[in-house]
This record gives sequence, C-alpha cells and structure tokens, in this order.
Amino acid sequence: QKEVEQNSGPLSVPEGAIASLNCTYSDRGSQSFFWYRQYSGKSPELIMSIYSNGDKEDGRFTAQLNKASQYVSLLIRDSQPSDSATYLCAPRERTRNYKLTFGKGTLLTVNP
Amino acid sequence: KAGVTQTPRYLIKTRGQQVTLSCSPISGHRSVSWYQQTPGQGLQFLFEYFSETQRNKGNFPGRFSGRQFSNSRSEMNVSTLELGDSALYLCASSLGGENEQFFGPGTRLTVL
Repeated sequence: QKEVEQNSGPLSVPEGAIASLNCTYSDRGSQSFFWYRQYSGKSPELIMSIYSNGDKEDGRFTAQLNKASQYVSLLIRDSQPSDSATYLCAPRERTRNYKLTFGKGTLLTVNP
Repeated sequence: KAGVTQTPRYLIKTRGQQVTLSCSPISGHRSVSWYQQTPGQGLQFLFEYFSETQRNKGNFPGRFSGRQFSNSRSEMNVSTLELGDSALYLCASSLGGENEQFFGPGTRLTVL
C-alpha cells in the first residue's frame, strides 16, 4: 500500500462547481495534514492545514479529516479557472520523525 | 517576514560536474527539507535537517548530500552530475514537529 494516495486525475469541473479532492494515508499515527497547491512550473504553496477530525473552512476551501478512516479531503467551492493547478496532500508521519510525505497530486482543471 | 529563499534560481551544468544549491529558511525555522521534482515523478524527498542533524533521508544515491549550518541555512550538493539530475530542486522550512512547512521558489537545474 502506498503511503499517501490521491484520487487519480486529471479532474475537470466547470466554473462555479465544487471540486472534491481525496487523499488516504497509511500511517495511523499521523496527526497533522496539509494541502498544497502547485501551479505548473512553480513551487508548492500551502493552502490548508488540519489537525483535528471534522471540517475546517477557509474561504472557498474546506478540509475534512477522518483519522479513523485515514482519510482527508479538500473541497473547493465556487471553483474558478485560477484554481486550476495540481493539489498535493501531505500528512506528517510521527513514526518517521514528523516527515512530511506527499501524494503524487491531483491535477484540477476548472473550465470557464 | 521573509519567506524561504533559494539560490541560484537557475543553473546549467554539464555531465560529470558538481553543483551546490543553497537555501535560507524562514527566520526561526530550524527544519529544512529538500525535494527533487521532475515531470511525471512528483515530489521526491531527498533529506531533512533539524538543528544541523540529518533527521530523515530519502532513497537517493550518495552523490546527493546536504548539510545545515548553525544559522539553519542549508546546502545540498550533487556530485558527478547525470542527465537525469535535471530537475526542479525545492527547499522547504518549518519550525519542526507538527508545524506547517513552507517552500522556497526552487532552483531549476539543467544538466547538458
């Protein structure tokens, strides 16, 4: 089983729709989880962090965490063409000195 | 607060040469991680340093090495460059533990 798995893309949604990005992880000890956005040719940018089970909202972004299911997701409401990017999920692995382990990412395209 | 800085931003080398990349973390951050990113390969973890000690290491050959100085600045070195080493090299810093990690703009290395 891969350490961090993200839903295979590319994911294409129309402008104004909700984009749903999913991620599962294997380290049951993970307590902190991060979502990064990466535009083509640029470095990853941190957009959300979540530490507790449940939902965390920040503007149009909502992160959801379920530690029992080892599942974390990112919802983007009212998707805009500027949201088109690769989204990376990254839990910290306590068992590996808090190493941040990245998934391969999901490419999101928002069509005008 | 200044972000993570990396120098140089672009570099062209020939096979067999060696290269040193530099990273200055966000002020107060003691953890510095290095990643390699190539098209289609995602973020590949190289190593992480915390307070001058290598805390985690990825699966890269010994040609890739790094170090961290007492002021938390870090360098990575690649010896005997190969064509396959052409990539975007990213540095990221963190306070450590469960805290968020922030990326620098990256150094794009081209090996001819």
